[in-house]
Amino acid sequence: DVVLTQSPLSLPVTLGQPASISCRSSHSLVYSDGSTCLNWFQQRPGQSPRRLIYKVSNRDSGVPDRFSGTGSGTDFTLKISRVEAEDVGVYYCMQWTHWPHTFGQGTKLEIK
Amino acid sequence: EVQLVESGGGLVQPGGSQRLTCAASGFTFSSSWMSWIRQAPGKGLEWVANINPDGGKMYYVDSVKGRFTISRDNAKNSLYLQMNSLRAEDTALYFCSKGSADWGQGTLVTVAS
Repeated sequence: DVVLTQSPLSLPVTLGQPASISCRSSHSLVYSDGSTCLNWFQQRPGQSPRRLIYKVSNRDSGVPDRFSGTGSGTDFTLKISRVEAEDVGVYYCMQWTHWPHTFGQGTKLEIK
Repeated sequence: EVQLVESGGGLVQPGGSQRLTCAASGFTFSSSWMSWIRQAPGKGLEWVANINPDGGKMYYVDSVKGRFTISRDNAKNSLYLQMNSLRAEDTALYFCSKGSADWGQGTLVTVAS
């Protein structure tokens, strides 16, 4: 199975400051059609997960543009340009290039 | 607006069975890949199973193969997860998802005696 390793697992951030989460895959996530099937999710306390980014860098509808995704092959990053209070929660990467689909362990973002 | 409403969770004894249902609305269900994803209490997310639009292809995580069956009824806009031989480690909040873009609120399955 593909293992996704996120770092850091805990991310204290000052309001208004940037934040970055890394997701490294044990296998290349490039699909046979050339696309890369890596998504990012946000799970606020007590809520269902919400997809933020699909296929590495595409923001979902309604997602603020302070969220961005980059990367290729096996190394991916979610960046928040200026953290706001509503960004508190756990962030997960997920790959769907290979079966079974797998998630990273999650990164807990908190406000300092 | 996409709506996914899970039901069927509850307390079940080890070795028992449970059937989860996800009622879908607000999109063309019969054209959509659907998934079950679970989250054990205080833990991360684990993808459980996928089914293709016509129900002819199903995929499972190894830990549930042979015990869980994902299925769908496109006429009823419903997704199902039949869970047999349940174990304590299957205790989790089970989410229904449309292509990972949309999620329900989840239904809690607790396996305990």
